[in-house]
Amino acid sequence: NAGVTQTPKFQVLKTGQSMTLQCAQDMNHEYMSWYRQDPGMGLRLIHYSVGAGITDQGEVPNGYNVSRSTTEDFPLRLLSAAPSQTSVYFCASSYRGQGGGYTFGSGTRLTVV
Amino acid sequence: QQQVKQSPQSLIVQKGGISIINCAYENTAFDYFPWYQQFPGKGPALLIAIRPDVSEKKEGRFTISFNKSAKQFSLHIMDSQPGDSATYFCAANYNQGGKLIFGQGTELSVKP
Repeated sequence: NAGVTQTPKFQVLKTGQSMTLQCAQDMNHEYMSWYRQDPGMGLRLIHYSVGAGITDQGEVPNGYNVSRSTTEDFPLRLLSAAPSQTSVYFCASSYRGQGGGYTFGSGTRLTVV
Repeated sequence: QQQVKQSPQSLIVQKGGISIINCAYENTAFDYFPWYQQFPGKGPALLIAIRPDVSEKKEGRFTISFNKSAKQFSLHIMDSQPGDSATYFCAANYNQGGKLIFGQGTELSVKP
């Protein structure tokens, strides 16, 4: 049972490049979310999904796109990377009705130069 | 606009002491209040959680105290141990779990 798998673990991008951070879970969780973690800022919600085909914006959605075509996968797309998007990104998933009991992946450390 | 405010930002406690981390929220629609623990290089992991109709919840050395009227809640770690050294996040949830908002985090260091 792999839980929440994020790839890649590390990535360096040049300003203006695009890329997709992958997230997959094998627990049949309905809810999935993306967060970014920056020093002193805690974990900030980027986008979240309550089921396949349903996504919504979080606290800091600008510059990011998501889609949820299957229950298992929730990719995060950076359209045109900026240095301000240098961060550690976490994907998380949960059963519906479990409140805030999310399982987190191990993170992707992204540097934009 | 920070919906969940957490303090202190860092905390140093002696082994065997009590660690106390405080959080405050504004949105009365929040309906679940979890705490997460994060070790360096790892993702956060659920530690303990409480619903707003309960004033206190205890699991081992960890206790959440909840004050609904003041819109505040806190984490108490009794008999703190060096292995408790980590970053702790409070969080608040609504939309039945779909939208979980975190505080800024507290870096706890327990000295032997």
